[in-house]
Amino acid sequence: SAVISQKPSRDICQRGTSLTIQCQVDSQVTMMFWYRQQPGQSLTLIATANQGSEATYESGFVIDKFPISRPNLTFSTLTVSNMSPEDSSIYLCSVVGYSSYEQYFGPGTRLTVT
Amino acid sequence: KQEVTQIPAALSVPEGENLVLNCSFTDSAIYNLQWFRQDPGKGLTSLLLIQSSQREQTSGRLNASLDKSSGRSTLYIAASQPGDSATYLCAVGTQGGSEKLVFGKGTKLTVNP
Repeated sequence: SAVISQKPSRDICQRGTSLTIQCQVDSQVTMMFWYRQQPGQSLTLIATANQGSEATYESGFVIDKFPISRPNLTFSTLTVSNMSPEDSSIYLCSVVGYSSYEQYFGPGTRLTVT
Repeated sequence: KQEVTQIPAALSVPEGENLVLNCSFTDSAIYNLQWFRQDPGKGLTSLLLIQSSQREQTSGRLNASLDKSSGRSTLYIAASQPGDSATYLCAVGTQGGSEKLVFGKGTKLTVNP
């Protein structure tokens, strides 16, 4: 299994600002994803982070609001831009390795927007 | 659109009891199904992955079954322990790859000593 770390683990931000979340994996992986878990809700896929190209966004999520980078096979960032209180959520990074279709998740970043 | 439902939303049992968590999905055309546990303040831990061609998977005290045609999966936990207390999430991998997981809202399990 892959070991995934995320930074920061939590943050409290003011409305209108932006926060960049980092995801680091201890081995090369085929696919990296970003999910959001709003309070009391299930996880929702935001986008697939593609290495060396633009991310693929799910319906309801746009690049201007959630720009994503993936410069190599072990690292990705998600930025939450122009934040509002509705963006208060847990943001999770996940990966799929080369040897199986099992997804592994990072510890998450708990974001509170005031 | 695939929808995943988990019943019950919360469950409280005494230590040592065997229990079953339920998961249902609306579209049977899935690639796989994965069970996770989520502890407060932590990420998700993968418990079991069942491919669409499989009927069940076992790991220790956990057994997960899959009935694709009826759109159902169950997670059986034998001899529950307080350390099993967590939220259990079911997620289905949509056709074409496991990358697009659709999650249920989870079942919050409390095992009382």
